[in-house]
Amino acid sequence: EVLLLESGGGLVQPGGSLRLSCAASGFSFSSFAMSWARQAPGKGLEWVSAISDSGDRTESAHSVRGRFIISRDNSQNIVFLQMNSLRVEDTAIYYCAKEGGSSTSGYYGVDVWGQGTTVTVSS
Amino acid sequence: QTVVTQEPSLTVSPGGTVTLTCASSTGAVTTGYYPNWFQQKPGQAPRALIYGTSNKHSWTPARFSGSVFGGKAALTLSGVQAEDEAVYYCLLYYGGTRVFGGGTNLTVL
Repeated sequence: EVLLLESGGGLVQPGGSLRLSCAASGFSFSSFAMSWARQAPGKGLEWVSAISDSGDRTESAHSVRGRFIISRDNSQNIVFLQMNSLRVEDTAIYYCAKEGGSSTSGYYGVDVWGQGTTVTVSS
Repeated sequence: QTVVTQEPSLTVSPGGTVTLTCASSTGAVTTGYYPNWFQQKPGQAPRALIYGTSNKHSWTPARFSGSVFGGKAALTLSGVQAEDEAVYYCLLYYGGTRVFGGGTNLTVL
């Protein structure tokens, strides 16, 4: 069974940093691209960032570019989201998702989601 | 800023058929945008239904189907069941980046 378990969420002040982790199991992690998406309270989904299977290619939404960095450790089956210069509007549930293929091109889409971790940015 | 637009809400009767659409502010949606569709019920994580316009995952019920027509991506539910009541999101790929639609709140009534 494919499982994605996010962690690292919490309360942080505006301007602060947080690193989210997503531990993957049940599939050949190093063969698949991974993504992060988020959902603000009562709002819709927003794609945040994606990384290819080897980690050599990353993509990020305009809203987080220059502040958030996605990375992965294929030896530990973990994908990370380093979030810097956090803003109140970054408050959301952050979901980790597995892509259906190795690249970030989208040909195989997104297939499995984690349960999410909550990030609250507030003073 | 690219905007992906979905119907905010739709209502369908049990056993009926409903089509949800997904439009792009950049122009006509084609298969090259690899439309994905997701279902989300209250308090739950999203669940993937469709990828690459019309491909189903192994767990996707047969009553769900995806297509592109009239310049939009579409998700059609045939023989709707009460359990299909949920919010449905489309996702379009623009090169490496991607954008979610605002979601359609589907009511089965």
